[in-house]
Amino acid sequence: AQSVDQPDAHVTLSEGASLELRCSYSYSAAPYLFWYVQYPGQSLQFLLKYITGDTVVKGTKGFEAEFRKSNSSFNLKKSPAHWSDSAKYFCALEGRSNNRIFFGDGTQLVVKP
Amino acid sequence: GGIITQTPKFLIGQEGQKLTLKCQQNFNHDTMYWYRQDSGKGLRLIYYSITENDLQKGDLSEGYDASREKKSSFSLTVTSAQKNEMAVFLCASSLDWGGRDTQYFGPGTRLLVL
Repeated sequence: AQSVDQPDAHVTLSEGASLELRCSYSYSAAPYLFWYVQYPGQSLQFLLKYITGDTVVKGTKGFEAEFRKSNSSFNLKKSPAHWSDSAKYFCALEGRSNNRIFFGDGTQLVVKP
Repeated sequence: GGIITQTPKFLIGQEGQKLTLKCQQNFNHDTMYWYRQDSGKGLRLIYYSITENDLQKGDLSEGYDASREKKSSFSLTVTSAQKNEMAVFLCASSLDWGGRDTQYFGPGTRLLVL
């Protein structure tokens, strides 16, 4: 089975703190992993992706994510967080063998000024 | 750069009605997608198209038809709208299929069925 789990529906933190949004996946082989962000009233925008190679990938807006095969995770990080980072964040998985794409339910992030 | 446009932005329909949503992209991408986003949920793939005149079913294709008349456009039809249905339909495109390509999303069509 192929699935993506974002266990935290909501995360709230103060500006200047470090943020880490969790994403775990289920897939029998090595996946392609993505993070997208959806700002209020807007559509999804690409942040970063893991294809192969370095397990820490850097993306736009100062975000990075670490692929951890040992615990099937791909957590998104940023330090420090800014109030403008308030948005909904989606983790997605694409299977290398079947190219099927699955999105998590998203994490709503609120960064208080 | 490029852009994806979706029409209409808002769509109000009646139960049982056939409703059509349209998507255009000027990235010159080969692959296009239709997703459904329900409130508080992630995206679920309805249909995708690898190239012009190609159609592939996603996980949520029942109740929908799609059409890829040309490379730049991809239409989705709700064959029979369900009462009280409310969702956002997102169109996306990527350079290629199955190549770990980034998807670019349109602004969405918000559907409400009375």
